[in-house]
Amino acid sequence: DAGVIQSPRHEVTEMGQEVTLRCKPISGHNSLFWYRQTMMRGLELLIYFNNNVPIDDSGMPEDRFSAKMPNASFSTLKIQPSEPRDSAVYFCASSSGDSPLHFGNGTRLTVT
Amino acid sequence: GEDVEQSLFLSVREGDSSVINCTYTDSSSTYLYWYKQEPGAGLQLLTYIFSNMDMKQDQRLTVLLNKKDKHLSLRIADTQTGDSAIYFCAESIGGYQKVTFGIGTKLQVIP
Repeated sequence: DAGVIQSPRHEVTEMGQEVTLRCKPISGHNSLFWYRQTMMRGLELLIYFNNNVPIDDSGMPEDRFSAKMPNASFSTLKIQPSEPRDSAVYFCASSSGDSPLHFGNGTRLTVT
Repeated sequence: GEDVEQSLFLSVREGDSSVINCTYTDSSSTYLYWYKQEPGAGLQLLTYIFSNMDMKQDQRLTVLLNKKDKHLSLRIADTQTGDSAIYFCAESIGGYQKVTFGIGTKLQVIP
């Protein structure tokens, strides 16, 4: 299995621009999670989906952040407009009912 | 509430044992995990333990759980330079769905 695939690996953008991060979960996994990792706050859960439905988005920091899962094999996390404080590594993870979380390699976002 | 705490840094000599400690606050935790993160990579699941277990051993790794004290530890025997990484303790409640991570312990292995 290819594992959780995230793209891009690195994203550098200017403040105010829209950023879209992408994730392909492991085939057969029915839960998908978006995490943000920073030095100051560690790993924070932003949102998670179960069977493509958002279950808990209480970790989404602001309305500038939105996430979608149009089908079982694809999810996006969008930031519009982006700000320098959004700079972080964003991880996608997936799991099924009988497995722990499996993480992608992350997208390192830098907003200048 | 959910809170997972671990020390930030540990330094050991190659060949020695490493012990990384973690405390958690939620007594209803179902599973407790150890993840490893190497530079530029995602989190890799090392091992996990069900909350009704006291110990789990997997090759060089030993996990000890003290449920009374809400204390979890990871022992790495014969630590190698390739073990240098950040180790995350995590807990989940009610299954795998919502996992809370500690801040991570950076393990430095000195040759």
